[in-house]
Amino acid sequence: RKEVEQDPGPFNVPEGATVAFNCTYSNSASQSFFWYRQDCRKEPKLLMSVYSSGNEDGRFTAQLNRASQYISLLIRDSKLSDSATYLCVVGHNDMRFGAGTRLTVKP
Amino acid sequence: EPEVTQTPSHQVTQMGQEVILRCVPISNHLYFYWYRQILGQKVEFLVSFYNNEISEKSEIFDDQFSVERPDGSNFTLKIRSTKLEDSAMYFCASSDGDGSKAFFGQGTRLTVV
Repeated sequence: RKEVEQDPGPFNVPEGATVAFNCTYSNSASQSFFWYRQDCRKEPKLLMSVYSSGNEDGRFTAQLNRASQYISLLIRDSKLSDSATYLCVVGHNDMRFGAGTRLTVKP
Repeated sequence: EPEVTQTPSHQVTQMGQEVILRCVPISNHLYFYWYRQILGQKVEFLVSFYNNEISEKSEIFDDQFSVERPDGSNFTLKIRSTKLEDSAMYFCASSDGDGSKAFFGQGTRLTVV
């Protein structure tokens, strides 16, 4: 089983749509959880940390379910600039990345 | 805003040659990482480094690889005898805590010919 598994995508959505990404992880001892975004040929950049209580940052909402070892990211009112690959990242003694889900937002 | 810097941005080397990739982590960070990303593939963990020693390494990080913190600011990745399949983008990252959010450098694109 892969350490961090994500929806394979790609997701192609119109501007203004709501889109949800899912992620599962295998190491139950994992302690920290993040969503990163990566633009083509660029470095991963932190989008948001994910907390057990769930957290929101503007149009972005992240949820964590430790019992199911499941993480989600919801993007509301998507913009053209949201087009990127979204990476689920799980930390224990290091940080392990999912393969990423590619999102394209179209006009 | 503090950032992780990596040099060079692009390195071309002949198969069998040694390369050293350099990174300057964020100054008050204590945990350092190297990742690689082969074109079109996922970001893969190589190694983490804390308190002047390796804390974790992946199966990719074999005897051909080594890391060093030669002074108070630099963090280097050495590949002793490069292979064609080492061609990838190599990212350095640093964080202020174990498993804390990490900040990435812009990467070094290594091309082995």
